[in-house]
Formats: sequence, C-alpha cells, structure tokens
Amino acid sequence: AQSVAQPEDQVNVAEGNPLTVKCTYSVSGNPYLFWYVQYPNRGLQFLLKYITGDNLVKGSYGFEAEFNKSQTSFHLKKPSALVSDSALYFCAVRGTSFSGGYNKLIFGAGTRLAVHP
Amino acid sequence: NAGVTQTPKFRVLKTGQSMTLLCAQDMNHEYMYWYRQDPGMGLRLIHYSVGEGTTAKGEVPDGYNVSRLKKQNFLLGLESAAPSQTSVYFCASRAPHGGSGELFFGEGSRLTVL
Repeated sequence: AQSVAQPEDQVNVAEGNPLTVKCTYSVSGNPYLFWYVQYPNRGLQFLLKYITGDNLVKGSYGFEAEFNKSQTSFHLKKPSALVSDSALYFCAVRGTSFSGGYNKLIFGAGTRLAVHP
Repeated sequence: NAGVTQTPKFRVLKTGQSMTLLCAQDMNHEYMYWYRQDPGMGLRLIHYSVGEGTTAKGEVPDGYNVSRLKKQNFLLGLESAAPSQTSVYFCASRAPHGGSGELFFGEGSRLTVL
C-alpha cells in the first residue's frame, strides 16, 4: 500500500534562511511524487512534481525538491524563505503500476511552515 | 475558467440527517476524488472515480456514498451523518493517462455534525 510520512508537524525558519520540509514515501513500483501548499481557508495548490529524470525538480515560488530513491525521500527546499511562504505543505505519492495505486494520490499529514521576520 | 467548484461551502447537520456535497469541474477531467481533511491527519481519500459511471473506495469510505452520473460532476453523500464526519471536504480532479498527474482542488466544504 502507498503511504507518505512527513515527520515534522511544524518547521520554523527565519526569513532569508534556507528551509527544508521532509517527506518519505512507500509505494510499489516507481513513484510519482508531488508537493502541494495550502493557505488558510483555501484548497490545495500544486507546487511541483517528480515523474522521472533529474532528481532535483524546480517548482513554483522558488521551491525545489530532491528525489532520493535509495532513501525513499522527496524533501522540499527553498534557498531563502519568505514570510509569505508560511503555510501548510503536503507531500503526496502516486504509484505507477495498476497494483501500486496508479489511480490514487495519497497525502501525508502535512507540515506547517512558519517563517519569522 | 472556474476549475473545480464545490457546493455548499458550509453546512451544519444534526446527527442522523443526510446531505449531498456536489463537485463540478469544467476541465473535462476523467478522474475525480473526494478527500476529507482533519487536523493532524492530512488529507484522506474517501472515494474516487476514473470516469463517468465508475466509482471506487479510498482509504476511509465508510459512511459515505458517491455517484458519477455525469463526467463533470462527482457527488458525495452522507446518508446518516455522525459527529465523526465533522470535517473539511475537498474535491479534486485530474487528467487521465499521459497527464502530469497534478490534482486541481476545489475550495473545500466545511461540514459540522452536531
């Protein structure tokens, strides 16, 4: 079965410092991996995805994520955090085989990012 | 372009009442999903559909039913609401095979069961 773990409930970062939000996954076959962001009282918005190819993927708002197959991780990163990045971040995984959850996108519990001035 | 629209946005029910949440998408997407979001538990998949006339169970299907009579609509029903179903419900859709896999979400429907 697919699963996603986000080990940190909250990450606190000073503005201008680099940030990392951690994600590990479990899925049969090769994974499709995603990061989404949720602002208060809003739906989720897509940030970036890994399908295949380069392990470092770039997304919206200056975010990037590094896929590490051996560690089954897909950590979200940004070189310089902004106060406006404060939000709830979700990692998600979808399998690429029909027995591995091809049709289902499974989310982690979310990590709240707080960027302080 | 409206994207994914959910109605109603807010609803308060008494235990045992029934209701239906409607999700409509105008992107001609084949796949549609219903999730619930609870504090500390992230989004959990309730039911999903891979095309008109099809539905399948997700992680937490008990107490919910769904229907996909038209491609653009995906309905989530609660036949006898329970306080444990107090949550924020999100609908999402995506393109099928060959698409990027990105989900497009509605703004959510906040349900309170007293």
